[in-house]
Amino acid sequence: DTGVSQDPRHKITKRGQNVTFRCDPISEHNRLYWYRQTLGQGPEFLTYFQNEAQLEKSRLLSDRFSAERPKGSFSTLEIQRTEQGDSAMYLCASTDGAGETQYFGPGTRLLVL
Amino acid sequence: QKEVEQNSGPLSVPEGAIASLNCTYSDRVSQSFFWYRQYSGKSPELIMSIYSNGDKEDGRFTAQLNKASQYVSLLIRDSQPSDSATYLCAVNNMNNNAGNMLTFGGGTRLMVKP
Repeated sequence: DTGVSQDPRHKITKRGQNVTFRCDPISEHNRLYWYRQTLGQGPEFLTYFQNEAQLEKSRLLSDRFSAERPKGSFSTLEIQRTEQGDSAMYLCASTDGAGETQYFGPGTRLLVL
Repeated sequence: QKEVEQNSGPLSVPEGAIASLNCTYSDRVSQSFFWYRQYSGKSPELIMSIYSNGDKEDGRFTAQLNKASQYVSLLIRDSQPSDSATYLCAVNNMNNNAGNMLTFGGGTRLMVKP
């Protein structure tokens, strides 16, 4: 059994570049969440998928951010025209429809120079 | 006012002592409560969940919930240096539109000294 996986684990990019992160949830988990965590803070909700449908987006998710889950399995989070303020840990979590417990992946740490 | 509040710490306890971590929340309709442990540079790891008033014990950990006071706590008995981490309190309001979106506190850093 594998848990939630995320790729890449680390990403360094220059301001203005686009980046894309991938999340593979636990098999058969139909709910998938993206969170962002900055140093010294708790994770903050970004967006939520149930199967392939994106059902909720936080106001934190500006127009430069887009997320997809095309087949209801893995998900991608893209940040366009990155800014230094985007530097953070991006966390993915999943759960099944019946459970409430969210299991987190290892995260992708983004540094925008 | 933040929705979920925790003392940032650090909370320092000697090895073998009881560590008490506290969390308050503002949304009265919150229904589910979670404690996650996060080591530096790592992702959150679930320790316990609690849904109803009272105590819930799991090994050295006890979660306590008081919905009337909007308060949830985590007790760690026989604290070990390996318990040194940041403890995140998370609250789930099932009435929101985002499924089981979690709202996190800022975390309390616990240091257990040998």
